[in-house]
Amino acid sequence: GAVVSQHPSRVICKSGTSVKIECRSLDFQATTMFWYRQFPKQSLMLMATSNEGSKATYEQGVEKDKFLINHASLTLSTLTVTSAHPEDSSFYICSARQGSTNEKLFFGSGTQLSVL
Amino acid sequence: GNSVTQMEGPVTLSEEAFLTINCTYTATGYPSLFWYVQYPGEGLQLLLKATKADDKGSNKGFEATYRKETTSFHLEKGSVQVSDSAVYFCALTGTGRRALTFGSGTRLQVQP
Repeated sequence: GAVVSQHPSRVICKSGTSVKIECRSLDFQATTMFWYRQFPKQSLMLMATSNEGSKATYEQGVEKDKFLINHASLTLSTLTVTSAHPEDSSFYICSARQGSTNEKLFFGSGTQLSVL
Repeated sequence: GNSVTQMEGPVTLSEEAFLTINCTYTATGYPSLFWYVQYPGEGLQLLLKATKADDKGSNKGFEATYRKETTSFHLEKGSVQVSDSAVYFCALTGTGRRALTFGSGTRLQVQP
């Protein structure tokens, strides 16, 4: 089946630094990618929808200047957490959609971000 | 807005036991319903889905029936195996291309 690669799987950084997370669709082109965030024992919360070649659409309450999303090609989207703080510590998951419906939606394995 | 509520885990069962993981939802219109599974170290994978009321999704021995009257989509399996140990997410999507709304996930631990 289709594979989505997400890196890194785990990152620890100091407060104030920026962290970039990559999401790649390895064997298909993804015009749309989604970024989710999950706190312990809570739902995956949609942060933003990323369409190739255009600006990401952010969900209400998500700071676009804090969470920079770039979807420059059909196989790569990146999420950069800028000036990270401890409250940004969370589990981040990307997903890539093959085609136009949610029938073929593939997920990365997630990134655990810990900000000290 | 849309929301999904799952039973809190972990659920611990012995091999060959019967499994039920409850999922209820709130949504406008007629959502499609999904169960995803996440094995350790891997991404979420679609396990099964149902797109309209009374549909039954099934895969790998798992089943779930779309119950509009109770707004539920409970996951069941008659005889679990150790290899079924994973985190299970219930999710829904509305019409069109909207992203999925997920539940909080339920961890299943199956002991030999």
